[in-house]
Amino acid sequence: DAGVIQSPRHEVTEMGQEVTLRCKPISGHNSLFWYRQTMMRGLELLIYFNNNVPIDDSGMPEDRFSAKMPNASFSTLKIQPSEPRDSAVYFCASTGQGTGSPLHFGNGTRLTVT
Amino acid sequence: RKEVEQDPGPFNVPEGATVAFNCTYSNSASQSFFWYRQDCRKEPKLLMSVYSSGNEDGRFTAQLNRASQYISLLIRDSKLSDSATYLCAVANNTNAGKSTFGDGTTLTVKP
Repeated sequence: DAGVIQSPRHEVTEMGQEVTLRCKPISGHNSLFWYRQTMMRGLELLIYFNNNVPIDDSGMPEDRFSAKMPNASFSTLKIQPSEPRDSAVYFCASTGQGTGSPLHFGNGTRLTVT
Repeated sequence: RKEVEQDPGPFNVPEGATVAFNCTYSNSASQSFFWYRQDCRKEPKLLMSVYSSGNEDGRFTAQLNRASQYISLLIRDSKLSDSATYLCAVANNTNAGKSTFGDGTTLTVKP
């Protein structure tokens, strides 16, 4: 039973470069979330999708961040251009419909921007 | 004020101890409540959902107090393997939906 799959696991890039993070949610889950975790700010919701449609992107820090979900089995989070303060662990999570459905997280992508 | 606040850590307890964590939330419309466990450099994983009447899973007991807007997690007979960060999460719809997380409480269980 495959869980949420994220790639890459680690990404090291230089400031100004474009970064693309990928996520495959659990099959059958209809909601997908992108979170960012840092020591200073904890786990923050960036954006979430329901049935492939972005519902709330109020957590996206600025226009350098964008996310897409072209189909039910794939989503991307892109940062262009990247900055050192974007360094964090980025988690993708999915959940199915149903009362009190919990989040299932992927392994995360550890991003370092130098 | 943060939407979800947790006890500041860290908690350092001996094996066999009972330890309790509290978490307060500010949105009275919140409907779903969860405790997640996160090991070092790993993703958060659901520990247990929190139901209105309280619920127990082995050594773990979760309680919800809607009037005071807090949830709690009690760990009895703590084991070394319980060492982790415990995150509470609150959502304002009946799916996990848009869950807001606390900053987490770190527990270290020592022999």
